[in-house]
Amino acid sequence: NAGVTQTPKFQVLKTGQSMTLQCAQDMNHEYMSWYRQDPGMGLRLIHYSVGAGITDQGEVPNGYNVSRSTTEDFPLRLLSAAPSQTSVYFCASRWTENTEAFFGQGTRLTVV
Amino acid sequence: AQTVTQSQPEMSVQEAETVTLSCTYDTSESDYYLFWYKQPPSRQMILVIRQEAYKQQNATENRFSVNFQKAAKSFSLKISDSQLGDAAMYFCAYRYSSYNNNDMRFGAGTRLTVKP
Repeated sequence: NAGVTQTPKFQVLKTGQSMTLQCAQDMNHEYMSWYRQDPGMGLRLIHYSVGAGITDQGEVPNGYNVSRSTTEDFPLRLLSAAPSQTSVYFCASRWTENTEAFFGQGTRLTVV
Repeated sequence: AQTVTQSQPEMSVQEAETVTLSCTYDTSESDYYLFWYKQPPSRQMILVIRQEAYKQQNATENRFSVNFQKAAKSFSLKISDSQLGDAAMYFCAYRYSSYNNNDMRFGAGTRLTVKP
């Protein structure tokens, strides 16, 4: 059982480049979300989805896009990378509003 | 807006002793969930324990237990018989109960060191 899989685990980008962080889950979870983790700030919600075709913004959505075309996948796109987007990114999923969230292992992104 | 505060950036405990990590939160909701997550150096976020706000009984998972004080909006984690493997960052998190809500709010974390 793979759970929540994030790729890549590490990435270095140049300012202005774009890229997509991949997230896939094999638990048939409806809810998926993306967080960023910065030192001293815990995790903050970027975007989330409550089902295929439904997405919404979280606390820090600027500079990121998401889509949810299937239940399994929830990619996060950085449109034009900035040094302020240097962070560790986590994808999470859960079955319903009452159940626990399962997290991927994170992607460490550095923008130079 | 809901906020979660962990006032202890770092804590230390002797192996086999007991330690309590503090967490307070601010919300106007009555139905919500509280969580403690552990993040070891591997970076993986691991659920330690969860508490439903409507339950008065404090949650317990083996050596981990919580002291949930709803009126005081306090949610502390007690680790008994601490082990070296308990060393990690611990995050307190809050989520209010709603069908279309996926917003989990995290505290800044407490780094726990376990001394042999």
